[in-house]
Amino acid sequence: KNEVEQSPQNLTAQEGEFITINCSYSVGISALHWLQQHPGGGIVSLFMLSSGKKKHGRLIATINIQEKHSSLHITASHPRDSAVYICAVGGNQFYFGTGTSLTVIP
Amino acid sequence: NAGVTQTPKFQVLKTGQSMTLQCAQDMNHNSMYWYRQDPGMGLRLIYYSASEGTTDKGEVPNGYNVSRLNKREFSLRLESAAPSQTSVYFCASTLTGRGTEAFFGQGTRLTVV
Repeated sequence: KNEVEQSPQNLTAQEGEFITINCSYSVGISALHWLQQHPGGGIVSLFMLSSGKKKHGRLIATINIQEKHSSLHITASHPRDSAVYICAVGGNQFYFGTGTSLTVIP
Repeated sequence: NAGVTQTPKFQVLKTGQSMTLQCAQDMNHNSMYWYRQDPGMGLRLIYYSASEGTTDKGEVPNGYNVSRLNKREFSLRLESAAPSQTSVYFCASTLTGRGTEAFFGQGTRLTVV
């Protein structure tokens, strides 16, 4: 059983497109994280959310606690956004989605 | 401020060899974690330490041991490496477990042949 489901698994976009990655979870949480992992690289935390919406540059993350759902949006996508985006939820421990592999083509 | 530092970055072991993966954080975090990342499976928790002096098993602890040496350092030991332990290992830390931002190391790519 997967406590965290992400969609889509793979995504290819043209530079400049608006991108949405979705995350649904089935456990009670105190926070949800969106993480970014470049090929062969480490993991960087983009957002931590417990309610509402956060924005950082071209990235926007939203969460609906009642529906147990979060979305990560990338506006005006750029090739440097190509990475795996991982949703993680939890309290004392984290549960991770399997990631969404994003490729942005120039 | 280095954040979370993991060593080594790459390692190749022969089956049956032992090794220790090192992790240190300089953010005065209480909780530290070891995960493994395998294709198509997401990160899975091996062990965690909620605070200095405590350690607990995660989802996949078999074949591993850990030591929370002090507040800064949390090491992961493979006593007798097996090919099934070929993976990318990540250390992470949080100030507390609940509702706080997680910081990750750069990962250790381990191959067991």
